[in-house]
Amino acid sequence: RKEVEQDPGPFNVPEGATVAFNCTYSNSASQSFFWYRQDCRKEPKLLMSVYSSGNEDGRFTAQLNRASQYISLLIRDSKLSDSATYLCVVPSGGSYIPTFGRGTSLIVHP
Amino acid sequence: ETGVTQTPRHLVMGMTNKKSLKCEQHLGHNAMYWYKQSAKKPLELMFVYNFKEQTENNSVPSRFSPECPNSSHLFLHLHTLQPEDSALYLCASSQERLAGGRVGYEQYFGPGTRLTVT
Repeated sequence: RKEVEQDPGPFNVPEGATVAFNCTYSNSASQSFFWYRQDCRKEPKLLMSVYSSGNEDGRFTAQLNRASQYISLLIRDSKLSDSATYLCVVPSGGSYIPTFGRGTSLIVHP
Repeated sequence: ETGVTQTPRHLVMGMTNKKSLKCEQHLGHNAMYWYKQSAKKPLELMFVYNFKEQTENNSVPSRFSPECPNSSHLFLHLHTLQPEDSALYLCASSQERLAGGRVGYEQYFGPGTRLTVT
């Protein structure tokens, strides 16, 4: 299994839809996980941290499933502005060595 | 000025040139990173500096040479590059912290330098 795997998509959804992405990881000792958002030709920007208890921020919910070694990102009531690539990040090695997934592309259409 | 800044934003260089990319973070973080992002490829970690010490060199060719004079500045010196080195070079910083017993190190990225090697 690759260290971090994501379905590249694209996920093509209408406005208002609910969409979810998963990210699987191989390092069972990983503690902290993150979701980033990257717009075309821009830098990644931190979206959410993901801890054991999960995390919710408005329309976005991140969950961790340690048993199956994946994290998920749920977006409710999708907006056109949510169109972007969503990257998951899992630490490998020391606590400050992150591994990025390839990203999942989301396209929200009217 | 806040966040992470990078200069130049765009750079075109020939294969025999020598140039340097600069990154500066104004967040008081203790770790800095260089990443390479090529078209349709995931982010590739190149170098990590933690408290000014290089702690990771991800099998990067010697034509890329990092320098970290202090915890706020990071350079990437470039010489005799190849066309396949054309990419977006991103700098990031982070601060290891504990919150409720959990280690966190959210990274903050600069806008990147778009490099074209001709």
